[in-house]
Amino acid sequence: EAGVVQSPRYKIIEKKQPVAFWCNPISGHNTLYWYLQNLGQGPELLIRYENEEAVDDSQLPKDRFSAERLKGVDSTLKIQPAELGDSAVYLCASSPGGGRFPTQYFGPGTRLTVL
Amino acid sequence: DQQVKQNSPSLSVQEGRISILNCDYTNSMFDYFLWYKKYPAEGPTFLISISSIKDKNEDGRFTVFLNKSAKHLSLHIVPSQPGDSAVYFCAALHGSGNTGKLIFGQGTTLQVKP
Repeated sequence: EAGVVQSPRYKIIEKKQPVAFWCNPISGHNTLYWYLQNLGQGPELLIRYENEEAVDDSQLPKDRFSAERLKGVDSTLKIQPAELGDSAVYLCASSPGGGRFPTQYFGPGTRLTVL
Repeated sequence: DQQVKQNSPSLSVQEGRISILNCDYTNSMFDYFLWYKKYPAEGPTFLISISSIKDKNEDGRFTVFLNKSAKHLSLHIVPSQPGDSAVYFCAALHGSGNTGKLIFGQGTTLQVKP
C-alpha cells in the first residue's frame, strides 16, 4: 500500500514569493492534516480536513496561508507571500475515517527554505 | 504553553541495553497517547500507542507505560539496536476520533551505539 505522498520534497524561494505544496493521502483515508514542524520542535497542526471540508483551521495563519482539498482526496497548501519565518518542514498526514483513536500516517514532508 | 513536554533533548545508550524515553503532559483531559519515530528526511512513523484506561502497552521490544496521576508516560526499548537511532516524539490526542488533533512534544534524539 502506498503511503502519503508529498511534493516537492525541497523548495527554496526568496521572501515575498508564493509557494505551494501538494499532498496525496493514503487511498481511502478521509481525514487529511497539514502540520508545520520548526527545527527542534514537534509538528504543529495547521489544518484538518474531513473529506473536502476544513473542520479545524484555527491554527492556520489565514492572512498568507490557504489550503484546499477540492475533491476530498489530494490537497494543496499555499503560502503567499512567503516570509523568512516560514522556513520549516511542512508535513501532511492522513487517517482512516471512523474509530475513536485513528492513527495518523505521515508523509516525508516538504522542507521549505525562504531566503 | 507546552502541553506535552519531552525534557531530554537527547539520549545515548549502548546496543543491547534499555532505552527509556520520557514524556510529561499537563492536560488531564488527554486520554490517548502515541509515540512516533522519525529518521532524517522522513516523516514521523507511528510506533506504539496507549489509551488512558491502561497503564502499559507492549509491542515486541517497545513498551509504553502511562502514569496518569503523575501525568507521565515513558517508552522503553529493550534491547536497543543501532537501527533505533532516531528522533522520538511523544504525542497526546486532544479530542477523540476524527475530531481530535495530536499535540506533540519537542522530541528526543536517541543514539544507540554499537
